[in-house]
Amino acid sequence: DAKTTQPPSMDCAEGRAANLPCNHSTISGNEYVYWYRQIHSQGPQYIIHGLKNNETNEMASLIITEDRKSSTLILPHATLRDTAVYYCIVRVKAGGTSYGKLTFGQGTILTVHP
Amino acid sequence: GAGVSQSPRYKVTKRGQDVTLRCDPISSHATLYWYQQALGQGPEFLTYFNYEAQPDKSGLPSDRFSAERPEGSISTLTIQRTEQRDSAMYRCASSLGTGGLDEQFFGPGTRLTVL
Repeated sequence: DAKTTQPPSMDCAEGRAANLPCNHSTISGNEYVYWYRQIHSQGPQYIIHGLKNNETNEMASLIITEDRKSSTLILPHATLRDTAVYYCIVRVKAGGTSYGKLTFGQGTILTVHP
Repeated sequence: GAGVSQSPRYKVTKRGQDVTLRCDPISSHATLYWYQQALGQGPEFLTYFNYEAQPDKSGLPSDRFSAERPEGSISTLTIQRTEQRDSAMYRCASSLGTGGLDEQFFGPGTRLTVL
């Protein structure tokens, strides 16, 4: 799976948009970009995923650059409960015996402050 | 069930003892994953099951670690002759299909402490 690079930490004011970047310059055509987050000691939680088109759901938006070498997760109106570690993960589309596993990096610690 | 459950939530054991951790996935979920998470790190893949088949054990740290899912539902992770370096949070996740790209739902984890 392609390696991802994320800033170790970011701050955001409550009510503002949080924009979390991820670099995946070695991504290949059959790999998706996934985002998970982990709040305190809870298990990781799925947020969103995409291949090459921008995606939006009730939690967030995912913007993937045209060359697919980077992406940005957007939390449009961050709340204190969004304080968590956010993981950007690249997953191969199909094939192989381990393509289902998630390879977590260090992630970005997002702190939302009042 | 409503979500993935794991038991026990906390386990303290002495070095050299065997421990068995249990995972109850969401009912009807075909795929089940085990991850190990050290303090301050992201989870690391150990192994996974498609129903009762175990296609990949490559993440298991040593032959002291084994997992099974004999009836394709509940799974256990056993660590034999535990060592202090085995202390970690052990997380189980399940997903609906076997296609490999489904959302994974994580359980609360078992915190293992080896003294």
